[in-house]
Amino acid sequence: DIQMTQSPASLSASLGETVTIECRASEDIYNGLAWYQQKPGKSPQLLIYNANSLHTGVPSRFSGSGSGTQYSLKINSLQSEDVASYFCQQYYDYNTFGAGTKLELK
Amino acid sequence: EVQLVESGGGLVQPGRSLKLSCAASGFTFSNYYMAWVRQAPKKGLEWVATISTSGSRTYYPDSVKGRFTISRDNAKSSLYLQMNSLKSEDTATYYCARGGAAPQIWFAYWGQGTLVTVSS
Repeated sequence: DIQMTQSPASLSASLGETVTIECRASEDIYNGLAWYQQKPGKSPQLLIYNANSLHTGVPSRFSGSGSGTQYSLKINSLQSEDVASYFCQQYYDYNTFGAGTKLELK
Repeated sequence: EVQLVESGGGLVQPGRSLKLSCAASGFTFSNYYMAWVRQAPKKGLEWVATISTSGSRTYYPDSVKGRFTISRDNAKSSLYLQMNSLKSEDTATYYCARGGAAPQIWFAYWGQGTLVTVSS
């Protein structure tokens, strides 16, 4: 089974700052990676698929990159509405999610 | 507008069974793989099951294989999860999610979730 190691577990940042969240797969997942945002009490919302493709309606300040086993989600110019938990998902081999990153405002 | 509405959650004793349902609308249900994903309280996401468009192929992680059964009724645009021999560690919010035309894909749409609590 493919394991996903997500870091950091929590993150505190200021409005307007750029933040980066990373996921490392235990083996090559050939860009089969998605990122989700989940606000408290809500269901996850797709942000990025195929490692770097922006889902419809997602603000352009969100971007994904990476290849092989290393992937990252970048949020430019952090907004208050970005406070949430973020999860990565590999779907190259069945499905595995990262443990999540809780993003808070400093 | 794509909508996924789960139902059937509740409190159940360990060892008992429960069946969840998901009513889909706003898209051609029979064209998409569907899945269940769960989230234990204050925890991360865990994939539970995936079913092919026709229902002929199903996929499970080891944690639920042999206890959970995913099924679908394309005529009713509905997805189901039969959960047997429930354990306390199955306590979670269960989400219905829409996949794509293949089993290995991202989940573009999610329901609001239904809470299952396994406790005596």
